[in-house]
Amino acid sequence: GNSVTQMEGPVTLSEEAFLTINCTYTATGYPSLFWYVQYPGEGLQLLLKATKADDKGSNKGFEATYRKETTSFHLEKGSVQVSDSAVYFCALSDRNGGFKTIFGAGTRLFVKA
Amino acid sequence: NAGVTQTPKFQVLKTGQSMTLQCAQDMNHEYMSWYRQDPGMGLRLIHYSVGAGITDQGEVPNGYNVSRSTTEDFPLRLLSAAPSQTSVYFCASSYGGEGVGETQYFGPGTRLLVL
Repeated sequence: GNSVTQMEGPVTLSEEAFLTINCTYTATGYPSLFWYVQYPGEGLQLLLKATKADDKGSNKGFEATYRKETTSFHLEKGSVQVSDSAVYFCALSDRNGGFKTIFGAGTRLFVKA
Repeated sequence: NAGVTQTPKFQVLKTGQSMTLQCAQDMNHEYMSWYRQDPGMGLRLIHYSVGAGITDQGEVPNGYNVSRSTTEDFPLRLLSAAPSQTSVYFCASSYGGEGVGETQYFGPGTRLLVL
């Protein structure tokens, strides 16, 4: 079945550091891939998405590229801010999975001033 | 637009009690889902609906019931609460027209503690 694996946290960085959160997936079809972010005390919200191979999703300085050859969708940001502290979820949606969204376990990011 | 709203924000139950978690959306979305969030496990799908009158089970449906009598509302019922149902519950909705590229919109969550 479909699954998403992302790096365990927490990840602790200083402000302006480079961020990478790894995400790999298993899917039987051609999924769409997502990164959602959850700020403290809130629900999840979409950060970015990519719907086909080699697409790059980007938003708020975050980027992720859909790599079919390595089944990966790693999240990157060149210079993190304290306000980026949150939990980040990688997810996929696949027609063969009935369009249901499968989430990774989440990675908590702490950014220190 | 209010988006997706959930009530209550927080609830404490005793084992064996029943309750209904409310979810409503004002975006005219066809698809609605209920997830539970537990530490280290991400979000797991409980039940979902692809339109009024149509519901189906997700990954962890046992102990929960749903119904969808209107497009706007999708309540989740706990039939007889158990400590294993202590969790944070999120309702989500999506348009339903994009298929696999669909973005989901989440409510703020209900934190449930079962003693």
